[in-house]
Amino acid sequence: GAVVSQHPSWVICKSGTSVKIECRSLDFQATTMFWYRQFPKQSLMLMATSNEGSKATYEQGVEKDKFLINHASLTLSTLTVTSAHPEDSSFYICSARGGGTYNEQFFGPGTRLTVL
Amino acid sequence: RKEVEQDPGPFNVPEGATVAFNCTYSNSASQSFFWYRQDCRKEPKLLMSVYSSGNEDGRFTAQLNRASQYISLLIRDSKLSDSATYLCAVNIGGDDKIIFGKGTRLHILP
Repeated sequence: GAVVSQHPSWVICKSGTSVKIECRSLDFQATTMFWYRQFPKQSLMLMATSNEGSKATYEQGVEKDKFLINHASLTLSTLTVTSAHPEDSSFYICSARGGGTYNEQFFGPGTRLTVL
Repeated sequence: RKEVEQDPGPFNVPEGATVAFNCTYSNSASQSFFWYRQDCRKEPKLLMSVYSSGNEDGRFTAQLNRASQYISLLIRDSKLSDSATYLCAVNIGGDDKIIFGKGTRLHILP
């Protein structure tokens, strides 16, 4: 149980394009989903918290107009990196909460974004 | 003081040995505590939640010390497959967010 999928697993795009990443909880309803970014050899950095049907809460320093989050249902959240630039290249990981007993978060497999 | 701190390591430990690491947290209102394992270029996977009374799962034991505001992870009879980065995570009380430490790298040596 508590499986989270993420799509795509990797993407390479040209500078200026937008990239959409999907996060799905497959066997539970996720009350909350989280989006993280991780640069090589660094820790997970929380970007935003997303609750179904409401606006995402962004962490300080994360541009909400650049990283658009939509949480349309209890099993799906999407992150769109708009007008991506090389500095946006990173490992983007979503997590979902709702499938555990102790407030655990379960992570998707991540999306490796490379912007040329 | 950072919200969640861990010794980054690396810890180089011979196979079969016991290894322990700690993680300190700054917010005394923190409610929930976890250990995650992350392999290179992979997502974190939940290893265990940390209960107030401490808990054990096979070779892994987690402890919580609220007075000193730290959690610990003990790995007994370490295996080569235990090599990974171990992240501690703390739920900041009254908030949905979980804050992760930077992780402790563990290398088990044959």
